[in-house]
Amino acid sequence: AQSVSQHNHHVILSEAASLELGCNYSYGGTVNLFWYVQYPGQHLQLLLKYFSGDPLVKGIKGFEAEFIKSKFSFNLRKPSVQWSDTAEYFCAVNTNRDDKIIFGKGTRLHILP
Amino acid sequence: SAVISQKPSRDICQRGTSLTIQCQVDSQVTMMFWYRQQPGQSLTLIATANQGSEATYESGFVIDKFPISRPNLTFSTLTVSNMSPEDSSIYLCSVGSAVYEQYFGPGTRLTVT
Repeated sequence: AQSVSQHNHHVILSEAASLELGCNYSYGGTVNLFWYVQYPGQHLQLLLKYFSGDPLVKGIKGFEAEFIKSKFSFNLRKPSVQWSDTAEYFCAVNTNRDDKIIFGKGTRLHILP
Repeated sequence: SAVISQKPSRDICQRGTSLTIQCQVDSQVTMMFWYRQQPGQSLTLIATANQGSEATYESGFVIDKFPISRPNLTFSTLTVSNMSPEDSSIYLCSVGSAVYEQYFGPGTRLTVT
C-alpha cells in the first residue's frame, strides 16, 4: 500500500533561517504530490502541488518543493522563514488510480520571532 | 474553490452514544470525503461519499460504525456510532479532486469520555 513519510515531527527555527522539510513516499508508479498547510485555527489548505513537468514547483508564500523521482522524495523548502509560517505541514500523494490522497503524519513548524 | 462548513465544531460525548456531523458545501460537488485525524497522527480517509450511491469505505472502517448520508450535491453527514474514547479525534470533510485540489472543512473536534 502507498505510504508517505515525513521525517520531522516538530521543527523549531528562528526567523530568516532556511527551511527544508523532508517527505518520502512509497509507490513505484506515476504520482501526484502535494504539500498542505494548516495555520493555527484555520482550515487545511493547499501550499503547492506537482503533477508533471518541471520537478521544481513553486507555491504560495515563497515555498517551493522538488520532486526527485529516483529518491521518491518531495521535500519542501523556503530560503527564509517568517514568524507567520508557524503551522503544521502535511505532505500527501495521489497515485492517479483514484481520487484518494494519502497523507503523511505532518510536521509541526514553530518559528521563533 | 469551495467553502465548506461543518457542524458541530466540537463536542464532548459520552461513551456508547452517537454523534452526527454535518458537512455543507457552497457549490455542487460530485465527491465528498470524510477523514479522521487522531492526535499526533496523519489524516486517514474514512470513506468517499458520492451522491446517489452507497459510500465507499476504506479498510478498517465499516458502515455500521460510521454511517454516511449524501442526500444531495452540497451536503453530507457522518455519524460516529456507539462511541468509545478511541473515537476521540478531529473529523474532516473535504471536496474536490485528488488530481487537482481538495478543499477541507474546519473539522469537528470530538472528545469521548
